Amino acid sequence: DQQVKQNSPSLSVQEGRISILNCDYTNSMFDYFLWYKKYPAEGPTFLISISSIKDKNEDGRFTVFLNKSAKHLSLHIVPSQPGDSAVYFCAASYTGNQFYFGTGTSLTVIP
Amino acid sequence: NAGVTQTPKFRILKIGQSMTLQCAQDMNHNYMYWYRQDPGMGLKLIYYSVGAGITDKGEVPNGYNVSRSTTEDFPLRLELAAPSQTSVYFCASSYGTGGEQFFGPGTRLTVL
Repeated sequence: DQQVKQNSPSLSVQEGRISILNCDYTNSMFDYFLWYKKYPAEGPTFLISISSIKDKNEDGRFTVFLNKSAKHLSLHIVPSQPGDSAVYFCAASYTGNQFYFGTGTSLTVIP
Repeated sequence: NAGVTQTPKFRILKIGQSMTLQCAQDMNHNYMYWYRQDPGMGLKLIYYSVGAGITDKGEVPNGYNVSRSTTEDFPLRLELAAPSQTSVYFCASSYGTGGEQFFGPGTRLTVL
């Protein structure tokens, strides 16, 4: 049973525009969320996180929004750059030890 | 710092063979994790450890064993390889609970 879902397997965006990646979850106990970025043949690397006491967290070009009532989070990348082309995973946890990952969204930023 | 290292990078096993996937970290992290990623799927937690001598099951532990005798090392053991264990295996570590995890480059395992 997939508790964290990323319903868009892929997304293409023009360079300089905004990329919006979405993630939905089913378990209302989740209280900590992270986004990871993954290049081919490499392990995921941490991008940004948010706890359930916040609804927004920013780090440079990356902003994560959390809507607890809708059990939805999104990652905004502005402006998008070709180097952002990668697979993005969202992950959620309620114990702090076990993280549940989505299936990923492959982002392509077109120069 | 090398971060999280994994060996081997690739391996082909026959059904019923056994092997150990090695994972080491040099960041003095207490927490370590093993995940598997099947094609088109997200990462699923196999086992994790909150410190030397302490391990616990994750979401998909069947067919695997782990041990944590030192802070640095967290090997994953497959005793009787099955085709369903064909996957990419990632090891990760973190300083504390809930913190960002640092991942190794992965081991691609094929069981034929």
